[in-house]
Amino acid sequence: DTAVSQTPKYLVTQMGNDKSIKCEQNLGHDTMYWYKQDSKKFLKIMFSYNNKELIINETVPNRFSPKSPDKAHLNLHINSLELGDSAVYFCASSRIGGGGPFFGQGTRLTVV
Amino acid sequence: AQSVTQLGSHVSVSEGALVLLRCNYSSSVPPYLFWYVQYPNQGLQLLLKYTSAATLVKGINGFEAEFKKSETSFHLTKPSAHMSDAAEYFCAVTPPSGNTPLVFGKGTRLSVIA
Repeated sequence: DTAVSQTPKYLVTQMGNDKSIKCEQNLGHDTMYWYKQDSKKFLKIMFSYNNKELIINETVPNRFSPKSPDKAHLNLHINSLELGDSAVYFCASSRIGGGGPFFGQGTRLTVV
Repeated sequence: AQSVTQLGSHVSVSEGALVLLRCNYSSSVPPYLFWYVQYPNQGLQLLLKYTSAATLVKGINGFEAEFKKSETSFHLTKPSAHMSDAAEYFCAVTPPSGNTPLVFGKGTRLSVIA
């Protein structure tokens, strides 16, 4: 069983569209994250969600909105997609107290 | 704020040679430190972690790292490189309390030459 799974793995869409990326973890972790990896491989935290408390990174445009229906799921919805949103988006989860988050396989988003 | 600096965006070694990937951290409190590996078109896999126990940490695939507070370093080493070690390696830092997200370095691409 995959610990952290994301769908879809690839997503190609036009500018202005709205899209969602889904993430599920079966590890029983309390905290989930979304990271963005740009074309230079730099990883930056976007959001973390801990027991229904959302911590927003202020540098993330409000077109990005995470939604967590339950502790095992954290989806990412993106409105009005722009060319600059093209990147690989990683979902991750961890347990309270640290230990290093587990990452999903990533979603490669391409906006054309 | 915490940060890590990875020296060298690209390191190239011969198969069988020592692998040394450098990471220096900046933190106002003793941090937790991590090394992750990313193979092409894949997610990040945890190699090893330092969480204030033993300063010499052994990880998967023969990698190890040593936490040196005096040098604010957490360099990753492997005695003998394999072709399969070619990948992107990331050092990351977080404070030990709570669930503060990891802050990653910019990554080091390791190439292994036959």
